[in-house]
Amino acid sequence: GENVEQHPSTLSVQEGDSAVIKCTYSDSASNYFPWYKQELGKRPQLIIDIRSNVGEKKDQRIAVTLNKTAKHFSLHITETQPEDSAVYFCAAVSGGGADGLTFGKGTHLIIQP
Amino acid sequence: KAGVTQTPRYLIKTRGQQVTLSCSPISGHRSVSWYQQTPGQGLQFLFEYFSETQRNKGNFPGRFSGRQFSNSRSEMNVSTLELGDSALYLCASSLGPDRTTEAFFGQGTRLTVV
Repeated sequence: GENVEQHPSTLSVQEGDSAVIKCTYSDSASNYFPWYKQELGKRPQLIIDIRSNVGEKKDQRIAVTLNKTAKHFSLHITETQPEDSAVYFCAAVSGGGADGLTFGKGTHLIIQP
Repeated sequence: KAGVTQTPRYLIKTRGQQVTLSCSPISGHRSVSWYQQTPGQGLQFLFEYFSETQRNKGNFPGRFSGRQFSNSRSEMNVSTLELGDSALYLCASSLGPDRTTEAFFGQGTRLTVV
C-alpha cells in the first residue's frame, strides 16, 4: 500500500517568515494530494490540494508543489501569522484513485511572535 | 448546510467492553471514511463505505468493524476494548465515489479506555 512520510515533525518559525513542510509518497499511481490543517481541539480542514497533472498551485499565502518524478510534494506558507499555528497533515490518494487517503504523521507548526 | 456530526463526543469505557460510534455525513454525501488519530501516529485509516458497501479497509484487527445505512449514516464498532484503543476517532464524508474530492471531517469522538 501507499506510504507517506512527512517532515519535519515540528517546525518553529518567526512570525512573518516562510514555512515549508515536505512529504514523500511511495505509490507512483497516486494522483491526488491534499493538505489538511488541524487547530488544537478542532477537526482537520482542507487548506489546499493538488492533482498529479499539475506541478504547482497557489492560494494567497499558501502554495503546494508536486514533483512526480521524485515522488514528493511540499506545502509553502509565506508571511506566517499567529493563526497559522496548527498541525498540518499531507495525504495522498493512491492506486490511481482506487485506494483511500493515506496521511503523513503531521507537522506541528509553531509561529513565534 | 450542516457539517459532519459525530456522536458521542466523549466516551469512557472499561477494558473488555464494546463501543459503537456514530457518524452522520453532510447531506448528499454518500462516502464515509473512518480514521483513528493518536499522538505521534497521525491519522490512520480504518475503513471506507460508499452506498452501504465497504470499499476499503485499513490494517486494524477484526475487533474494529463498521457499517453504513441507506441514509449514508455510518457506525463503527470496537469490541473487546484494549487500553491502546484510546484515541480520537474521526469520520469524514465526501460526495463519492471519486476519492479525489474533498473529505470533510467531523469533530471526532474521544474514546478513553480505562
